[in-house]
Amino acid sequence: RKEVEQDPGPFNVPEGATVAFNCTYSNSASQSFFWYRQDCRKEPKLLMSVYSSGNEDGRFTAQLNRASQYISLLIRDSKLSDSATYLCVVNGQGGKLIFGQGTELSVKP
Amino acid sequence: EAGVTQFPSHSVIEKGQTVTLRCDPISGHDNLYWYRRVMGKEIKFLLHFVKESKQDESGMPNNRFLAERTGGTYSTLKVQPAELEDSGVYFCASSQNPWSQYFGPGTRLTVL
Repeated sequence: RKEVEQDPGPFNVPEGATVAFNCTYSNSASQSFFWYRQDCRKEPKLLMSVYSSGNEDGRFTAQLNRASQYISLLIRDSKLSDSATYLCVVNGQGGKLIFGQGTELSVKP
Repeated sequence: EAGVTQFPSHSVIEKGQTVTLRCDPISGHDNLYWYRRVMGKEIKFLLHFVKESKQDESGMPNNRFLAERTGGTYSTLKVQPAELEDSGVYFCASSQNPWSQYFGPGTRLTVL
């Protein structure tokens, strides 16, 4: 079993749609959780950290459920510029990052 | 402020050759990480330096890979001899704390 598992993609949505990505992690001792965004042939960039209380940044909302070992990302009013691969990431021992395989999002006009 | 830089951006070599990848972290960042993404797989951790010391090298695939960070500044990752399965994108990241790792643009390695 992979340490971090994500919804298979790709997600193809029209502009303005709301899209949700889900992710589960296997290590119950994990402490830090993130969503990264990766554009084609570019490096991953931190989108947002995920906290137990949930957190919001503009059109993006992240949620963490420790009991279910489940992380989600909700994007509202999606824009063409949101097209990218979204990576669910968990902090491992010593600070190393453990990545999911990523979910590709394509927002169409 | 300059970000993490990596050199070269692309490298195409033949099986059996040697390649050395370089990473320059953000100035002042003690933590330096190497990761790799092979085709169709997730990005995977290779190793972690704190200053010049190897903190965790549990992700290194085998002894054909050698990483160094002399002086605690830039790091090199040498693959010798390269095999076909070493092809992928090698990312370097640096941080001052575990919660904010900044990635370099990666080196795309192709072994023929």
